[in-house]
Amino acid sequence: DIQMTQSPSTLSASVGDRVTITCRASQSINSWLAWYQQKPGKAPNLLIYKASSLESGVPSRFSGSESGTEFTLTISSLQPDDFATYYCQQYNSYSLTFGGGTKVEIK
Amino acid sequence: EVQLLESGGDLVQPGGSLRLSCAASGFTFSNYAMNWVRQTPGKGLEWVSAITASGAGTYYPDSVRGRFTVSRDNSENTLYLQMNSLRAEDTAVYYCAKDKASSGSYGFDSWGQGTLVTVSS
Repeated sequence: DIQMTQSPSTLSASVGDRVTITCRASQSINSWLAWYQQKPGKAPNLLIYKASSLESGVPSRFSGSESGTEFTLTISSLQPDDFATYYCQQYNSYSLTFGGGTKVEIK
Repeated sequence: EVQLLESGGDLVQPGGSLRLSCAASGFTFSNYAMNWVRQTPGKGLEWVSAITASGAGTYYPDSVRGRFTVSRDNSENTLYLQMNSLRAEDTAVYYCAKDKASSGSYGFDSWGQGTLVTVSS
């Protein structure tokens, strides 16, 4: 199975900060990576698919990039609504796996 | 508007069975792959099963293969998850999730509100 190592597990930041979250795949996943945002008590919400494609309706401050097996979610200017937990997910093969999550907290 | 409404979650004893349902509306259900994803309270997400748009292909992780069965009724716009031989570690909130693709996966663009399954004696 493909393992997804997400870091950091917790991140403290202020409104307006540029934030980056990283996921590393244990093997090539050919850009088949998604990013989700989850708020307490709610279902996850798709932000990015195919590593860098912005889902419809998602603010443009969110972006995704890749370099080999390392994938990055960037929030260009953190907003109050962005304090949440973020997950990556690979879907290269039909053994989909999620990263462990990154909780973005208020500094 | 896409809506996914799960039901069937309950308290069940170890070794027992449960069937979850997910009623879909607001999109052409038969055109999209569907998935079940679970989340242990306070923990991360685990993909549990996938089924292609036609229902011809079903997929599972090792943790549930042989115990869980995903199915769909495209005439009733409903997704199912039959869970047998339940274990304490199956305790979680179960979400159904719509894929952006008909087969394979492009990411889950709509999710239900979740239904809680508790396995305990």
